[in-house]
Amino acid sequence: KAGVTQTPRYLIKTRGQQVTLSCSPISGHRSVSWYQQTPGQGLQFLFEYFSETQRNKGNFPGRFSGRQFSNSRSEMNVSTLELGDSALYLCASGSGRAADTQYFGPGTRLTVL
Amino acid sequence: AQRVTQPEKLLSVFKGAPVELKCNYSYSGSPELFWYVQYSRQRLQLLLRHISRESIKGFTADLNKGETSFHLKKPFAQEEDSAMYYCALTFQGAQKLVFGQGTRLTINP
Repeated sequence: KAGVTQTPRYLIKTRGQQVTLSCSPISGHRSVSWYQQTPGQGLQFLFEYFSETQRNKGNFPGRFSGRQFSNSRSEMNVSTLELGDSALYLCASGSGRAADTQYFGPGTRLTVL
Repeated sequence: AQRVTQPEKLLSVFKGAPVELKCNYSYSGSPELFWYVQYSRQRLQLLLRHISRESIKGFTADLNKGETSFHLKKPFAQEEDSAMYYCALTFQGAQKLVFGQGTRLTINP
């Protein structure tokens, strides 16, 4: 079974720009979650999509948004980028049941200059 | 709010010695607890979850609801155990993982 894939793996943007990250879950998984990882804040939950609906949302500003398509692939968008948005963005896919394993992708490293 | 605390950012032990990575959580209900591990240059992966009560790579973790702890233990550390370890919880049937800050474990030869 192919693992979770994320594209692109690396991105460099400037302040004020917007960016879209993509995540393809493991085949058959209907849940995709996004996390931000930084040295200072660690791993923080952004949001979760299940069957094209946002099911949970973390404490991030509205500049962070996402969506999920009918094939379960998900995109995350960050508008009006700030320096503090520089981070590793991870997505994880799973069945959608809380106690089940979530499988993580390799991440997209975003650098905002 | 739900919180996971891993008090040790760094932990260093010798090969063959016992290892214990501490994890405490705050949540008034019944959480699901997990340990995730990230080896060098690899993606984050599940090590074990409390609901399975299994031992993976010699590691075990017991949920102590009285002390709200889920410490990870291994009786004899091996060099390949060197990695970053994260304790995490979910709650109320959600897939949202709340992570601790992580503990970097180094096993010295």
